[in-house]
Amino acid sequence: DQQVKQNSPSLSVQEGRISILNCDYTNSMFDYFLWYKKYPAEGPTFLISISSIKDKNEDGRFTVFLNKSAKHLSLHIVPSQPGDSAVYFCAASGWGQGAQKLVFGQGTRLTINP
Amino acid sequence: EPEVTQTPSHQVTQMGQEVILRCVPISNHLYFYWYRQILGQKVEFLVSFYNNEISEKSEIFDDQFSVERPDGSNFTLKIRSTKLEDSAMYFCASSDLRAGQPQHFGDGTRLSIL
Repeated sequence: DQQVKQNSPSLSVQEGRISILNCDYTNSMFDYFLWYKKYPAEGPTFLISISSIKDKNEDGRFTVFLNKSAKHLSLHIVPSQPGDSAVYFCAASGWGQGAQKLVFGQGTRLTINP
Repeated sequence: EPEVTQTPSHQVTQMGQEVILRCVPISNHLYFYWYRQILGQKVEFLVSFYNNEISEKSEIFDDQFSVERPDGSNFTLKIRSTKLEDSAMYFCASSDLRAGQPQHFGDGTRLSIL
């Protein structure tokens, strides 16, 4: 089941530069997309989300872009900081009231080099 | 900031034994979830729960699994007769009623079946 795919298992970026993490999905029923960050021995921490009616959502250093026609989303982190080093998961679900199960990608390990 | 708490952080159990994983969701949340992550694999949805009923469950969530909200604060996952392949990190999550609200995760219970 590859409904949500993160094709880059790892990414290394210089501190201060932009980090771009990518995610593709196949299920047209997905209406809500989220990025989570995970440190070792901790649970996923919510970062930012976007609904399918938007193509961009920004929160501080984090911006998520959604291209519905390409079924692709990306997370931009700028400027990247050493504390951003973690595994980043893309997740997708339906939208609306009611419990919505999340479908996760495999994760991308981001390393920020000083 | 309110958080989801899970106990124990690590559970070691003999194959065939019953195990109960415990979670205290965020207090004003009404949707509850269990996910698991086998080492090296994706985070996978197990079950969602609302109003004292299962809303949705995955194929993984067979008759050996059950969930319960025994009181106003706890949410538990029981595995009746554990198998070696149940070894994984189990994450509890919760979200509130409003559409488009993210799920917030606990730090997980590492379940090791011997």
